[in-house]
Amino acid sequence: GENVEQHPSTLSVQEGDSAVIKCTYSDSASNYFPWYKQELGKGPQLIIDIRSNVGEKKDQRIAVTLNKTAKHFSLHITETQPEDSAVYFCAASKGGTYKYIFGTGTRLKVLA
Amino acid sequence: IAGITQAPTSQILAAGRRMTLRCTQDMRHNAMYWYRQDLGLGLRLIHYSNTAGTTGKGEVPDGYSVSRANTDDFPLTLASAVPSQTSVYFCASSDTFGANVLTFGAGSRLTVL
Repeated sequence: GENVEQHPSTLSVQEGDSAVIKCTYSDSASNYFPWYKQELGKGPQLIIDIRSNVGEKKDQRIAVTLNKTAKHFSLHITETQPEDSAVYFCAASKGGTYKYIFGTGTRLKVLA
Repeated sequence: IAGITQAPTSQILAAGRRMTLRCTQDMRHNAMYWYRQDLGLGLRLIHYSNTAGTTGKGEVPDGYSVSRANTDDFPLTLASAVPSQTSVYFCASSDTFGANVLTFGAGSRLTVL
């Protein structure tokens, strides 16, 4: 069945360093790839997304890259700050369907 | 502030009791969803609705029911709660089905004893 694998499950970085989280999807028809940040006790919030007609997208310290051939997409956070500490989820979806397939999450800890 | 309101925030419930989790959105989104979040399992879809008057089953629908009488409200009912339904429940919405931004509520933490 359709699935999204997300790695690593936990990631610790020093403040100011970069963090990279990777996801692999199985359904080649997927064309929308969002990333969500979930802080403790809160609902997931969209931080960046990318569509299949684009290879890379940036928003300040956050970037997402997509490799359709390999069915990989990655979240890159530069100059990490303590407030970046949270659980991050990737997902894959396609138009006309109710399905958003989520990864199992990465717990990012930014050490001051 | 536009968004999704869920209630209750937290609830402890005896097994066998009936419980309804409420969800209201003010963004006029057509599609709404209910997910449960369990440690190590990520977000799993329970039920969804494409538009008012229509609903569908997700990945883990057993023991749950939903209704969509209007655009804004999408309640989730547990007819007879069991301990395995202990979880955090998130309501979400999107403008249309698939390939669109999902907006989540803050969640309802349910404990079934």
